[in-house]
Amino acid sequence: GAVVSQHPSWVICKSGTSVKIECRSLDFQATTMFWYRQFPKQSLMLMATSNEGSKATYEQGVEKDKFLINHASLTLSTLTVTSAHPEDSSFYICSASRPNQPQHFGDGTRLSIL
Amino acid sequence: QKEVEQNSGPLSVPEGAIASLNCTYSDRGSQSFFWYRQYSGKSPELIMFIYSNGDKEDGRFTAQLNKASQYVSLLIRDSQPSDSATYLCAVSRNSGYSTLTFGKGTMLLVSP
Repeated sequence: GAVVSQHPSWVICKSGTSVKIECRSLDFQATTMFWYRQFPKQSLMLMATSNEGSKATYEQGVEKDKFLINHASLTLSTLTVTSAHPEDSSFYICSASRPNQPQHFGDGTRLSIL
Repeated sequence: QKEVEQNSGPLSVPEGAIASLNCTYSDRGSQSFFWYRQYSGKSPELIMFIYSNGDKEDGRFTAQLNKASQYVSLLIRDSQPSDSATYLCAVSRNSGYSTLTFGKGTMLLVSP
């Protein structure tokens, strides 16, 4: 099956720090990558959709200047949480897809801001 | 507002029984329907997807879709303790490579 790698799997950092999360599709070219956030006992909430080579489309209520997304190649997308604060602590999950194929998820990144 | 509704559970079944998980959705324009399994602390794993009305079987899993009733279900036969997880229903207006709307998930507990 499709393999999506996400790194790091766990980050603990101080308030005000910026954190970068990488998402890689290892065995296929992902035309679209998605970034989700999941709080405890809640479902996945889509943050943004990114297509290779173009600007990400953010969901309503998601600050694009705080959550910077780069999708520079068909196999790599990055999410940078800038000036992270405790309320940004969550489980961040990426997914990758190609036309007419379901999304496959990375293993997620658990972000804890102290 | 597009909504996907699932009973949060937990749904408890004994080992070897059939587990039935249900999902309803509000967007009549939905075309694709997905079931993901999520273990605690892990990311979702695709179990099944279905596009057409009727049943689709894959091993111990059967997905059932009724677009007229806006209802999709997942049956797990011969349930195993390793099936214990949260099952997320997701729908899309396309074949899944565009935006997915997720339900909150149903927790399944399979007791030995």
